[in-house]
Amino acid sequence: EAGVTQFPSHSVIEKGQTVTLRCDPISGHDNLYWYRRVMGKEIKFLLHFVKESKQDESGMPNNRFLAERTGGTYSTLKVQPAELEDSGVYFCASNLLRGPGNEQFFGPGTRLTVL
Amino acid sequence: ILNVEQSPQSLHVQEGDSTNFTCSFPSSNFYALHWYRWETAKSPEALFVMTLNGDEKKKGRISATLNTKEGYSYLYIKGSQPEDSATYLCAFYDGNKLVFGAGTILRVKS
Repeated sequence: EAGVTQFPSHSVIEKGQTVTLRCDPISGHDNLYWYRRVMGKEIKFLLHFVKESKQDESGMPNNRFLAERTGGTYSTLKVQPAELEDSGVYFCASNLLRGPGNEQFFGPGTRLTVL
Repeated sequence: ILNVEQSPQSLHVQEGDSTNFTCSFPSSNFYALHWYRWETAKSPEALFVMTLNGDEKKKGRISATLNTKEGYSYLYIKGSQPEDSATYLCAFYDGNKLVFGAGTILRVKS
């Protein structure tokens, strides 16, 4: 079974440009989460989809970030326009069932560098 | 604001040493505590998901304990090997999302 995949693995862009990150969850997983790790600090929650619906987007830092999951399969996270402080590693995770005892399966992350 | 603290921040040990790290978390409204192992450029890999006070879990040379009443979990590695070098992350499940600590970086020298 394929794991969670993310594309690209690295992205280097100039401040003010737009970047779109993609996440393909494990097939059949309704729950999809975005997290990011900035400046070597802790990994922080951004948002959670259940199928195509945003269940919780309380961690989205501002309106420069837009996440979509059309059709309830893969998800994209667009940053427009990118700022220097957006640099970090963006992780996607998925699971079939929500709940305390349920593991979230993580992708390898996209390392974003904004110059 | 939920706070998950991990200590130490980093650890350098010799091959064969046993080691342990601490994760502290809010003791109220406990749902679950997750431990992950993460190597840079790879996917964080779940080691344990712990839900019950007093839980003890083991996977090979790695084990973990949980005390929800006082809000801490220990991760133990017995006989560290160079391949154990990684960042070990704990995450508190708050009912909706994972809240991570900053991690403990382990380096095992051969």
